[in-house]
Amino acid sequence: DIQMTQSPSTLSASVGDRVTITCRASQSFSDWLAWYQQKPGRAPKLLIYKASSLGSGVPSRFSGSGSGTEFTLTISSLQPDDFATYYCQQYNSYWETFGQGTKVEIK
Amino acid sequence: EVQLVESGGGLIQPGGSLRLSCAVSGFIVGSNYMSWVRQAPGKGLEWVSLIYSGGSIHYADSVKGRFTISRDNSKNTVYLQMNSLRAEDTAVYYCHRLAAPFDYWGQGTLVTVSS
Repeated sequence: DIQMTQSPSTLSASVGDRVTITCRASQSFSDWLAWYQQKPGRAPKLLIYKASSLGSGVPSRFSGSGSGTEFTLTISSLQPDDFATYYCQQYNSYWETFGQGTKVEIK
Repeated sequence: EVQLVESGGGLIQPGGSLRLSCAVSGFIVGSNYMSWVRQAPGKGLEWVSLIYSGGSIHYADSVKGRFTISRDNSKNTVYLQMNSLRAEDTAVYYCHRLAAPFDYWGQGTLVTVSS
């Protein structure tokens, strides 16, 4: 199985900051990687698919990059609505896996 | 409009069984791959199982041999039969379809395994 390790687990930032979250895979795979945002009590929401493609209706301040074993999610200018928990997910293999999550908190 | 509505959660004793349902409207379950994802209280997301349109089925190691995913095309519904439940299976269970650039989630159904 492909294991996904996210870092950091918690991130404190201010409105307007540039934020980067990293996801590392235990083995190399193609670009079948997604990023989700989740707020308390809500289902996750797709932000990025195929490593770098923007989900439907997702603001352009979100971007994804990477390949092989290292992927990143970048928020170019953090907005108040962006304080949430973010997860990466590989859907390359028959056994999908999520990273453990990164909570973005207000500094 | 696409909707996924889960049901079947509740309080169950360790060793018991539950069947979760995910009733879908807006797309054909049998023509798409569907997943179950769970989230233990205060914890992260954990992929549980998926079923492909062709019928191929896969499970996380943590539930293999205890959980069974299935679908009823006539009811446009996906199921998760959960047997031999353990305390660590306590979670909100979501059904999910990734259809990039869209994705669809149910509201979740809470399963609590406790004596």
